Amino acid sequence: SQQGEEDPQALSIQEGENATMNCSYKTSINNLQWYRQNSGRGLVHLILIRSNEREKHSGRLRVTLDTSKKSSSLLITASRAADTASYFCATGPSGTYKYIFGTGTRLKVLA
Amino acid sequence: ETGVTQSPTHLIKTRGQQVTLRCSSQSGHNTVSWYQQALGQGPQFIFQYYREEENGRGNFPPRFSGLQFPNYSSELNVNALELDDSALYLCASSLKDSRSGNTIYFGEGSWLTVV
Repeated sequence: SQQGEEDPQALSIQEGENATMNCSYKTSINNLQWYRQNSGRGLVHLILIRSNEREKHSGRLRVTLDTSKKSSSLLITASRAADTASYFCATGPSGTYKYIFGTGTRLKVLA
Repeated sequence: ETGVTQSPTHLIKTRGQQVTLRCSSQSGHNTVSWYQQALGQGPQFIFQYYREEENGRGNFPPRFSGLQFPNYSSELNVNALELDDSALYLCASSLKDSRSGNTIYFGEGSWLTVV
């Protein structure tokens, strides 16, 4: 079963707009990671945020984490057609080293 | 480029056969995990190996087994293949040295089709 749930399941925006994806999870975690996956390919790591952090930035990416609400968000600013992909959050539950993935958000950026 | 390489890229097997998938970890990483990703789904954790020992297992039957070698490379073996085993199999490597966890890096995966 999936612990994480991304929302929305699919998102279509125009190039230059911002894209926001949300992730909810169920148990306490050590950290949360966001990944991008282009069709049929491997997962590309985007950002890791630890449970004691609230916000992290990397280039056009901004990730927030609210452990009280068991949720995280990924913001992609000034989106580009090349950002078209599926985005997954992966949570690392406390006390384990396995990661649990959500079902992903399929982002389509229209040129 | 994550430094994690997997082989083969694609393969087709017949139901009931056995398959071995291989993975080379990123240099310096001592932990390898395997995930199964069915079409349209998120990756599901199969198991993890740390210093050649299984360190955790997901909800997969015993016909899914693995090995980790002294150089930290790894194999995933699946016996008695079933049609539902058709999926993308992803290998991920990481450095296990803290409770807060570390970034895990994925390979490009091996596409398995069972017919």
